[in-house]
Amino acid sequence: QKEVEQNSGPLSVPEGAIASLNCTYSDRGSQSFFWYRQYSGKSPELIMSIYSNGDKEDGRFTAQLNKASQYVSLLIRDSQPSDSATYLCAVGHFGNEKLTFGTGTRLTIIP
Amino acid sequence: DGGITQSPKYLFRKEGQNVTLSCEQNLNHDAMYWYRQDPGQGLRLIYYSQIVNDFQKGDIAEGYSVSREKKESFPLTVTSAQKNPTAFYLCASSRDARKGETQYFGPGTRLLVL
Repeated sequence: QKEVEQNSGPLSVPEGAIASLNCTYSDRGSQSFFWYRQYSGKSPELIMSIYSNGDKEDGRFTAQLNKASQYVSLLIRDSQPSDSATYLCAVGHFGNEKLTFGTGTRLTIIP
Repeated sequence: DGGITQSPKYLFRKEGQNVTLSCEQNLNHDAMYWYRQDPGQGLRLIYYSQIVNDFQKGDIAEGYSVSREKKESFPLTVTSAQKNPTAFYLCASSRDARKGETQYFGPGTRLLVL
């Protein structure tokens, strides 16, 4: 079992709709969670970080964390063509010097 | 203008040649990392460093070497022992590796074998 799992996609969403990206993790002691966006040929850029159970909103983006069920999700409201990218989930554990990355979900927003 | 710089953007390696990828940060971060990304795959950790003059192997360190002589710099050498070096190499930094904190990435170096 992979430590951090994401559906590789591609996930196609109509412009203006809500895109929902999911990530599950295996380490129950994980304490920090990140979503990165990576455009083709570019490096990952941080979208959201979340540390506590519940929702965290930043503009059109909402991260949701459920530690009991060991999943973290990213919702993108009012999806735009510029949101088309691969989204990487990363999980950290205080005292562990490494983040563990999922393989990413490729999202395509259809105009 | 704070950030992470990597050079060169593209690098070509001949058979049997060692090449060095540069990574510099001015974020005053303690921790620095090197990842390799292959098409359709996630990020794989090569080496990381929490403090100057100290570094640890990641998951795929064979065929690579690093140094950390200055806080700002963490160069990666791809040696001739790395038989399949063609990949996208990403350098990252964070304030403190031990706290699972956010990692910020440089623009990357694409290495191609001639």
